[in-house]
Amino acid sequence: GDSVTQMEGPVTLSEEAFLTINCTYTATGYPSLFWYVQYPGEGLQLLLKATKADDKGSNKGFEATYRKETTSFHLEKGSVQVSDSAVYFCALSGLNTGNQFYFGTGTSLTVIP
Amino acid sequence: NAGVTQTPKFQVLKTGQSMTLQCAQDMNHEYMSWYRQDPGMGLRLIHYSVGAGITDQGEVPNGYNVSRSTTEDFPLRLLSAAPSQTSVYFCASSYSLGQVYEQYFGPGTRLTVT
Repeated sequence: GDSVTQMEGPVTLSEEAFLTINCTYTATGYPSLFWYVQYPGEGLQLLLKATKADDKGSNKGFEATYRKETTSFHLEKGSVQVSDSAVYFCALSGLNTGNQFYFGTGTSLTVIP
Repeated sequence: NAGVTQTPKFQVLKTGQSMTLQCAQDMNHEYMSWYRQDPGMGLRLIHYSVGAGITDQGEVPNGYNVSRSTTEDFPLRLLSAAPSQTSVYFCASSYSLGQVYEQYFGPGTRLTVT
């Protein structure tokens, strides 16, 4: 079945460092891929998405590229800020089960000044 | 728009008690889902609904019931609470643009079963 494997955390970075959080997936066909962010005590918010191979999703300085050949959707940001401290979830929505989302286990990011 | 709302925010139950977690959305979304979030396990789908009157089981449905009498509301019922149901519960609603879905989450209910 469909699934998402996400880089384990926690990740601690200094402000202005480069961020990569790895995400790979297993799915039939071409799923839609998402990154969600969860700030402490809150629900998940959609950060970015990509719906077909080679699409790049971007938002708030974060980027992720849909790589069909490596079944990956790694999250990157060139210069993190303290306010980026949160838990990040990779997710997919399958081709034949679009309403059902499959989530990775989440990666906790802490950015220190 | 309030988006997706959940009540209560926190709840403590004793083993064997029953309760209902409320979820409502005001975006006229067709699809709604319930997830539980446990440390190291991400989000796991409990039940979902593709429209009023239609529900189905997700990955971890045992011990939970749902119903969808209106588009707006999707309550989750715990029939007889167990300590294994201690978790954070998220309700979500989603809509589709063609074959692409976007999902919106409520703020969560933190449940402790003693």
